[in-house]
Amino acid sequence: AQSVTQLGSHVSVSEGALVLLRCNYSSSVPPYLFWYVQYPNQGLQLLLKYTSAATLVKGINGFEAEFKKSETSFHLTKPSAHMSDAAEYFCAVSEYNQGGKLIFGQGTELSVKP
Amino acid sequence: EAGVTQSPTHLIKTRGQQVTLRCSPISGHTSVYWYQQALGLGLQFLLWYDEGEERNRGNFPPRFSGRQFPNYSSELNVNALELEDSALYLCASSPGLAGPKNIQYFGAGTRLSVL
Repeated sequence: AQSVTQLGSHVSVSEGALVLLRCNYSSSVPPYLFWYVQYPNQGLQLLLKYTSAATLVKGINGFEAEFKKSETSFHLTKPSAHMSDAAEYFCAVSEYNQGGKLIFGQGTELSVKP
Repeated sequence: EAGVTQSPTHLIKTRGQQVTLRCSPISGHTSVYWYQQALGLGLQFLLWYDEGEERNRGNFPPRFSGRQFPNYSSELNVNALELEDSALYLCASSPGLAGPKNIQYFGAGTRLSVL
């Protein structure tokens, strides 16, 4: 079965610093990978997705992620953190043979210090 | 264009009661997914409906059930509520025949508290 591991349940950065949120997946077939963001008391918003096209994927709000097959990773980055980036971030893999059911990582809460 | 809408936003129930949560997908979307986000357990897949039929279900007991209506809206029913059912229940929709590439668009969720 496919699975997703997010390293670090909490990450804290200073405003203007690099954001790096780690995600590793396990899959025996080429995966479809997603990053979602959840602001307090809200649902999930898609940041970006990887569906076997370009390995560097650009998303909304200045975020991007790089698919590395050799490392089975799909880490999320943003060059310069903003206070409004404080939220919980989820990496997810889509189950290939189950119609798009999403398997989520445990989430990483990002705090941004002024 | 309206996004995925869920109702109610909050619910308080007691153990043993039954609850119904509702979801309206984005116009034109035929697939609806339900997820449970419980404290400490993360986001877990509950159910997937497409074209009015249940296509897949997660590792949840049968007291979790639902249906999808001809207009593609959906209900999630939970019978015999237990304390551990307290969670945020998220609904998502996706367009066309669901596939692994399809983006799922999420609603804001229904917060269920079981006392």
